Amino acid sequence: AQRVTQPEKLLSVFKGAPVELKCNYSYSGSPELFWYVQYSRQRLQLLLRHISRESIKGFTADLNKGETSFHLKKPFAQEEDSAMYYCALRYQAGTALIFGKGTTLSVSS
Amino acid sequence: DAGVTQSPTHLIKTRGQQVTLRCSPKSGHDTVSWYQQALGQGPQFIFQYYEEEERQRGNFPDRFSGHQFPNYSSELNVNALLLGDSALYLCASSSKLLTSGAYEQYFGPGTRLTVT
Repeated sequence: AQRVTQPEKLLSVFKGAPVELKCNYSYSGSPELFWYVQYSRQRLQLLLRHISRESIKGFTADLNKGETSFHLKKPFAQEEDSAMYYCALRYQAGTALIFGKGTTLSVSS
Repeated sequence: DAGVTQSPTHLIKTRGQQVTLRCSPKSGHDTVSWYQQALGQGPQFIFQYYEEEERQRGNFPDRFSGHQFPNYSSELNVNALLLGDSALYLCASSSKLLTSGAYEQYFGPGTRLTVT
């Protein structure tokens, strides 16, 4: 069965420090991977997807099929990055998203 | 465009009762998915509706049922409520027809259900 694992419940860093939010998945095929973010009192929103290979708000994520990972990275964290981050997998276009349990990122000055 | 809207915002029910939650998709979207998010967990897929039919279902009992209307809005019904049904229920809409951004899911603010 497909599964998404986010090993850290909470990641606390100082402003300007690098950030890496870990995500591992289990699926034998070629899934689509996403990162969703939920800022305080806001709804869940898409941050980025692996097929776009883009950088959003300074965040990037590379799909590593060998390690079945899709870690989210940012070289210099900002206080406004503090939020809950969810990694999600979709095994086929149009099907359901399978979410990890999420990681809370806390950036302090 | 208000995006995906859900009602009500909060709801308190007693064990054994039935509840109906409502969702209006983002303008131009024809597909609605429902997720349950328990405290401290990620969203868990319940089911998806397209063309007024249930197209995909997650690992939820038959107590969870839904409906999609011709205007693409949707309802989630839960019968015989259990304490464990207490959660945030999220609705997400998407479109199979868009040439760009197809299938991208936009989430509503959720309905917080408390079962006592």
